[in-house]
Amino acid sequence: DVKVTQSSRYLVKRTGEKVFLECVQDMDHENMFWYRQDPGLGLRLIYFSYDVKMKEKGDIPEGYSVSREKKERFSLILESASTNQTSMYLCASSLGGVGWSGNQPQHFGDGTRLSIL
Amino acid sequence: DQQVKQNSPSLSVQEGRISILNCDYTNSMFDYFLWYKKYPAEGPTFLISISSIKDKNEDGRFTVFLNKSAKHLSLHIVPSQPGDSAVYFCAASVSARGADGLTFGKGTHLIIQP
Repeated sequence: DVKVTQSSRYLVKRTGEKVFLECVQDMDHENMFWYRQDPGLGLRLIYFSYDVKMKEKGDIPEGYSVSREKKERFSLILESASTNQTSMYLCASSLGGVGWSGNQPQHFGDGTRLSIL
Repeated sequence: DQQVKQNSPSLSVQEGRISILNCDYTNSMFDYFLWYKKYPAEGPTFLISISSIKDKNEDGRFTVFLNKSAKHLSLHIVPSQPGDSAVYFCAASVSARGADGLTFGKGTHLIIQP
């Protein structure tokens, strides 16, 4: 079974702080993703990565950055946290790799509920 | 502009009956569709998918139907069980675009009543 682990289930931070959300997957997947989930808005893609040190912006990248130094680990960074970044953050991974066609499901972690005060 | 739409925020179905969840999309480039199930305080769990070259895919109690001309897909659950109560998300992607993320609908909360 694919295991995607997010380091914290709940996190409370203050406005202006730099916040790191960590995600690790154990299936040697090439692709990793960060989403946020808000009531009435579904899941929205923040950033994704298809290889180590590679990153691409998703639909709502403003106020965020990411880091992928190792294949299994994908970090989401809130450079200066604001109250509108209070949300549920979900990390996902998918297989990817040579010959990858895109028809692969993504596997999600259990999420980090982040509150910015 | 919402590219994947789930117009029913909630749906209540009696246990043992069929649950039908609907999803519409506007981007004709989408060629891979998925359904995810989500319980509170857990991440979404992949349920079933369908490629645009097919019109039906079945896995146990779950069947997904795709109508490309109408840009519509539906998830059928037969028979519905209490453990099916969850939020269901429809998602789509353009597979030829590479490792892009999925575009999700807002979800439908399915409630199975005893």
